[in-house]
Amino acid sequence: DIQMTQSPSSASASVGDRVTVTCRASQGISNWLAWYQQKPGRAPRLLIFDASTLGGGVPSRFSGSGSGTEFTLTIRSLQPEDSATYYCQQTKSFPLTFGQGTRLEIK
Amino acid sequence: EMQLVESGGGLIQPGGSLRLSCAASEFTFSWHDMHWVRQASGKDLEWVSAIGTMGDKYYSGSVRGRFTISREDDKASLYLQMNNVRPEDTAVYYCARGRGDIRPGPLDDFDLWGPGTLVTVSS
Repeated sequence: DIQMTQSPSSASASVGDRVTVTCRASQGISNWLAWYQQKPGRAPRLLIFDASTLGGGVPSRFSGSGSGTEFTLTIRSLQPEDSATYYCQQTKSFPLTFGQGTRLEIK
Repeated sequence: EMQLVESGGGLIQPGGSLRLSCAASEFTFSWHDMHWVRQASGKDLEWVSAIGTMGDKYYSGSVRGRFTISREDDKASLYLQMNNVRPEDTAVYYCARGRGDIRPGPLDDFDLWGPGTLVTVSS
């Protein structure tokens, strides 16, 4: 199984800040990586697919990059509504696997 | 509006059986791979099972041999038959639509999710 490891596990930032979340795969996954946002009591929402393609309706302050084993999700100009947990997911092979999540708090 | 709605969750004793359903609407269900993803309270997301448009099925190691995924395209419905359930199967179960890409089979990220249904396994 491909293990996905996110860092940090939690972060706190202010409105207007730039935040970066890292996801590392235990083996190369090309660009087969997605990022999700999940708010408490809600289903996840697809933010980024194929490592860097923005999902439908996702604000342009979100961006993704990386290939192989290391990936980043960047949120520019943080907004209050960005408070959530963020997960990465590999779609290279079965079983599909997620990272352990990064909880982002807005100060 | 496109949506997925799960049903069938509840309290069940260890060793028992339960069938989850997911009703899809406002999109062509038969064109999409479909998945079940679960999340225990306060825990991470865990992919459970997938079924492709051709009926090919995939399972996580933790449920293989106990859970069975199926679909009825004429009813735009997805199912998960859960047998011999264990306390560690307790979670919110989400139905999710595979976004699809150029690769064959349900190696997907998920662009549409249901609100989830809670399954609690306890005596």
